[in-house]
Amino acid sequence: SYELTQPLSVSVALGQTARITCGGNNIGSKNVHWYQQKPGQAPVLVIYRDSNRPSGIPERFSGSNSGNTATLTISRAQAGDEADYYCQVWDSSTPHVVFGGGTKLTVL
Amino acid sequence: QVTLRESGPALVKPTQTLTLTCTFSGFSLSTSGMCVSWIRQPPGKALEWLALIDWDDDKYYSTSLKTRLTISKDTSKNQVVLTMTNMDPVDTATYYCARIPNTIYGVYDYWGQGTLVTVSS
Repeated sequence: SYELTQPLSVSVALGQTARITCGGNNIGSKNVHWYQQKPGQAPVLVIYRDSNRPSGIPERFSGSNSGNTATLTISRAQAGDEADYYCQVWDSSTPHVVFGGGTKLTVL
Repeated sequence: QVTLRESGPALVKPTQTLTLTCTFSGFSLSTSGMCVSWIRQPPGKALEWLALIDWDDDKYYSTSLKTRLTISKDTSKNQVVLTMTNMDPVDTATYYCARIPNTIYGVYDYWGQGTLVTVSS
């Protein structure tokens, strides 16, 4: 079955750029989606289809996907960006939904 | 607007069967490409995909849990029901339902608030 690998944690200084990776075999051939989850809340979609932002998501959030790694980039990180972030793909061959293990973002 | 809401028991005993209902509004599960899915999250742990049902009544299950799961829909009531048999304390989690508007990309655009289910005797 398809697997997605994320770092357990990422730290970023306030105002700097955070990058959260999501690794998977030839993930560049798949559509990757990213969710932000704050404590006690449901996940919220922040990036879909690799690099698209839903309405209401700040331009500071961006995404890319190539080869075996997809990346969520958060520019000018704010305290309010502290959350868990999950990548997700739709494995159409099975078809199954696959989530990464999640990354805790800390803004210092 | 689109909303989803999970309902079901907050506490179940080991070996019992859990039945959860997702009641949604703002869209129809009869629309081509539309899906509703269940995802769970044990306390402090990652999201885990459980099951999905699409507009055409096709059903897909997590490989590791498929023997215990059944998903069904009642289009007239705008509901999707998940049953999980033989509950165990490790199944303690917040259970979410969420919508996929198009199976081409498989993205969850709307989520319910989640319901915490505790498995304990």
